[in-house]
Order: sequence, then C-alpha cells, then structure tokens
Amino acid sequence: GAGVSQTPSNKVTEKGKYVELRCDPISGHTALYWYRQSLGQGPEFLIYFQGTGAADDSGLPNDRFFAVRPEGSVSTLKIQRTERGDSAVYLCASSPGGALMNTEAFFGQGTRLTVV
Amino acid sequence: AQSVTQLGSHVSVSEGALVLLRCNYSSSVPPYLFWYVQYPNQGLQLLLKYTSAATLVKGINGFEAEFKKSETSFHLTKPSAHMSDAAEYFCAVRTDNNNDMRFGAGTRLTVKP
Repeated sequence: GAGVSQTPSNKVTEKGKYVELRCDPISGHTALYWYRQSLGQGPEFLIYFQGTGAADDSGLPNDRFFAVRPEGSVSTLKIQRTERGDSAVYLCASSPGGALMNTEAFFGQGTRLTVV
Repeated sequence: AQSVTQLGSHVSVSEGALVLLRCNYSSSVPPYLFWYVQYPNQGLQLLLKYTSAATLVKGINGFEAEFKKSETSFHLTKPSAHMSDAAEYFCAVRTDNNNDMRFGAGTRLTVKP
C-alpha cells in the first residue's frame, strides 16, 4: 500500500489476555518503529527494527511485550497477560533507513488498545 | 541518547496572532529535528524537518522553524494563527549514530476566535 497500515484499528481485550498488533510498513522501508501513546502524551518509544533485527528494544516496558519482524517487512507487537495500564494507542512508523538518516518517519493511524 | 523537551504543554492564541511552540534538544552529535502535527483522532503528520541544509526551515500550512545550535533549540512558529491550526504538536530528534526517533511530550495549541 501507499502508507503504513496498522491492524486492527481498535482492539478491546480482557485483562490477562494475549494480543497481537500488526504493522505493514511502506514498501522498501528498512527501518520500523513502534511507539505507545497514552492520552495527552507524546509517542513513547518502544522498539526500533533495522531490517529483521531489533536495533533498539530499550523502550519495551517489561517482558510481557515482544515484537518481531521475521522477513524485514511486516512487524507484530505482542503483549502477553495484558493489564489495564497497557491501554493506549500503539503507533507504528517506518522510514527508508540505512544512509537516509535525515528522512522522517511515516506513521500509521495506530491501533487503539483497550484492556477491560 | 538524544532527547527533546517541549516547553509548555498547552498554548492558547487568538486567531491571527503569532504562534510560537518551543522545542529544545539534547544531543552529543549533530541532530536531525522534526515537527509533527496530530489533529484530533488522526495520525501524526510531518510539518517540517531540519536536516542541516538550512537553519530556517519552511513547512506546510505556513509553519517554519529555525535551528539554533547555540541555544539547542528548534522552535516552531507561524505568523498568523488560523482556527484550523488547533492540534497537538510534537517535536522529535534523530541522529546519525542512533536511528531511533525520540519525541517530546507535545504541545496542545488552542486557537481562540
């Protein structure tokens, strides 16, 4: 597609359940980012992929959060044993990466996760 | 790691007045700086970016920002506010040695008629 696509757009889950959030980046973009945005806050960095590998996962809050990008394109953010505090909008972004460090990141519309 | 600080979580201006949204960065190496806008219930959209080519950067919707190394600042301005400018604005930074992009907490701009 032309832009970054995130699915689902909304997800409601019960406390303790497992969820997967999907991100389909712009074709050819090697860099992919996940952020979490709580109401009234800026995007909080979670993890950054360059290709298939997680170049920086220092933003993942705890071991319940995990993300993969097995083929260097689509990425899945996985949250185990969800808690009410995980409720937020999860944003995905991609950029060309590599030598193009001055290029902006392009954002998807986000997945609104609500844990009840 | 690099970071940005946005001074003022809320800014309110009258329609037609000057808009000034502040952003200061922290980086040990030359930064790339970005301003994004987020309208209610929408995704993040790039307003403008500084990539070292010119210190005064012009963006969409009449916004511009000036990179001032001596002040470690990249403040966003617009000479005359319009009602449609009401939104949340985020400053972000990235560097050559660290491709992840870090955002400030955001500034909510309100435009009064």
